Amino acid sequence: EAQVTQNPRYLITVTGKKLTVTCSQNMNHEYMSWYRQDPGLGLRQIYYSMNVEVTDKGDVPEGYKVSRKEKRNFPLILESPSPNQTSLYFCASSLSPGTRIEAFFGQGTRLTVV
Amino acid sequence: AQSVAQPEDQVNVAEGNPLTVKCTYSVSGNPYLFWYVQYPNRGLQFLLKYITGDNLVKGSYGFEAEFNKSQTSFHLKKPSALVSDSALYFCAVRPESMDSNYQLIWGAGTKLIIKP
Repeated sequence: EAQVTQNPRYLITVTGKKLTVTCSQNMNHEYMSWYRQDPGLGLRQIYYSMNVEVTDKGDVPEGYKVSRKEKRNFPLILESPSPNQTSLYFCASSLSPGTRIEAFFGQGTRLTVV
Repeated sequence: AQSVAQPEDQVNVAEGNPLTVKCTYSVSGNPYLFWYVQYPNRGLQFLLKYITGDNLVKGSYGFEAEFNKSQTSFHLKKPSALVSDSALYFCAVRPESMDSNYQLIWGAGTKLIIKP
C-alpha cells in the first residue's frame, strides 16, 4: 500500500530535550516536506526537499532541522524543543516537484513540549 | 501578499442536504487549486484539483468543486451530504508564478459538521 509513515504519532517531551520525528514514504517520491498545523493558521511549511541531499527552508524553519540522506526518509529534528513548538506535524511527499501534482500526507505527529 | 481564504470556520448541514465549503484566493498568475480533507486523527487526504479545462471538477467521495476565475473562487460542493463527510476541509493553491519551491498556500480550514 502506498503510504507516508510518521513516527511517533504522539509525543510529550520536556523543553530542551532533542527529539526526532521520522517520515518514510514507499512511493519513490522525489519531493518531501514537513508542515505544522495550528488552529486557525492552516498548514505552514517548515522545510522541504526536492531530492536526496537537497533541502530548503519553508515558511517557519526556526528551531527545526531536516536531512534527506535517502530518497524515502525525511526526518524532522528539534534540537532544543520549546513550548511554542507544541503542534500537529505532518510529513508529505509527491512524485515530483511539479506544480500539478498533489501531495500524500502522513497521519500526523502530535507533539507537546512542556 | 498571496493568500487563500476560507471564510467560514465551521459549516453545519443536515444529512441529505447539499453542502458548500467556500474558498477564495489572491495569487498572481494562473493557480493550481486543491482540496484536501482531514478526518479526525488522520492525515490529510487529497480530494480533487483544478489544473485547466472544465471549470467543474469531480473528485473523491462524490465531491466536486467549481473554479470561477472572475471571482477567484474554488468552492467545494456535494449534492447530498453524509454524516461521514464530517471533517476538516482545506483549500490549497499553488501559484503558477511561484518560485521553484512549488510551495502550496493553504487556507485555515473549515470544519464541516453533518447532522443526522
